Amino acid sequence: EDQVTQSPEALRLQEGESSSLNCSYTVSGLRGLFWYRQDPGKGPEFLFTLYSAGEEKEKERLKATLTKKESFLHITAPKPEDSATYLCAVQASDYKLSFGAGTTVTVRA
Amino acid sequence: EAGVTQFPSHSVIEKGQTVTLRCDPISGHDNLYWYRRVMGKEIKFLLHFVKESKQDESGMPNNRFLAERTGGTYSTLKVQPAELEDSGVYFCASSQDYGTIIYFGEGSWLTVV
Repeated sequence: EDQVTQSPEALRLQEGESSSLNCSYTVSGLRGLFWYRQDPGKGPEFLFTLYSAGEEKEKERLKATLTKKESFLHITAPKPEDSATYLCAVQASDYKLSFGAGTTVTVRA
Repeated sequence: EAGVTQFPSHSVIEKGQTVTLRCDPISGHDNLYWYRRVMGKEIKFLLHFVKESKQDESGMPNNRFLAERTGGTYSTLKVQPAELEDSGVYFCASSQDYGTIIYFGEGSWLTVV
């Protein structure tokens, strides 16, 4: 069975304090690794899809990287508006997404 | 362009009653998915439509859940009769093709009392 483990569960940062979130996975036939942002009471908002080891993608203060066993979401100089739960999901050969439990990031001004 | 829309956003029903959730995918998206998150758990796959056909319904918990997609457009997910453990948030998602970006709706929050 596909497994996705995210760490840490929660992360409290000071504004401007860069950090990284980890997503480790085991999947049979990885088609893609997805990162989503979720705000309270809202649905997951798409951020990135990574398809192969070594791939990197950036969007504003966020940068996602992928290896054969894990992905990192780097947050550079975060702002309070980056506070959210960040979800990692892997898409296997059957096109289903398997989600991790998420990392809740709180950025204090 | 409108995103994935879901209705109702919140629903409170009594055990044994029936609830029907509706999802309108992004226009032109052939792939439609249902996922749910129950309290304290990760988001889990329920089923996948390609146009009007069920491609994969391996995540449906039991036969109290029935999903349909009329004419390959909107989809409904009916829970009948509802049980307490069905409480959670039900997400609908859609994508244009296999393996492309999967967009999620805001979710339908179901509470069974």
